[in-house]
Amino acid sequence: GESVGLHLPTLSVQEGDNSIINCAYSNSASDYFIWYKQESGKGPQFIIDIRSNMDKRQGQRVTVLLNKTVKHLSLQIAATQPGDSAVYFCAEGASGTYKYIFGTGTRLKVLA
Amino acid sequence: SAVISQKPSRDICQRGTSLTIQCQVDSQVTMMFWYRQQPGQSLTLIATANQGSEATYESGFVIDKFPISRPNLTFSTLTVSNMSPEDSSIYLCSVRGLAPYEQYFGPGTRLTVT
Repeated sequence: GESVGLHLPTLSVQEGDNSIINCAYSNSASDYFIWYKQESGKGPQFIIDIRSNMDKRQGQRVTVLLNKTVKHLSLQIAATQPGDSAVYFCAEGASGTYKYIFGTGTRLKVLA
Repeated sequence: SAVISQKPSRDICQRGTSLTIQCQVDSQVTMMFWYRQQPGQSLTLIATANQGSEATYESGFVIDKFPISRPNLTFSTLTVSNMSPEDSSIYLCSVRGLAPYEQYFGPGTRLTVT
């Protein structure tokens, strides 16, 4: 079986409910943030990004909120579906570099 | 977006041996990255590989252990040398996209060292 997410924090959500996944980032110089979704047996897949000059960005069924004061990032998924079950990672990056620092990840389990 | 494939998708290897992982991209890309994802953990950058230059390794990773080749703009290899069980991980390659800060990942290679 897939070992990604085996020891990660788990968020269990009822199908149809909204999910909120949180992430604390470490580098005050980071000015670019991304949320990735990793399904079993696959590489991370880009979901949504946000730059530090914004505090909110919306996509399809997803919203990312950025609070630079407390260095906190969240991903909100509306009307969570079984296909949303995966491990979610936040990543931070800084202008002038192409390296990302990945957060620890959260496993989202959608309950039918 | 770029389509990235990796070979092998998984392997079980004996300690002390080496494994070379291949990463193929369907378009020419300047920067490629190799990550390690240990069981139950997040992704850690091993090195950045640009075509025509030596790979740049992150702290804690050395060329003797993880030699990288980047012969052209669509291909790279990562070798895990003299393997030990602690090298059991998923190894992922990724590439920069066209937009700033875009990065796409391959499906990963699951390595188990016994």
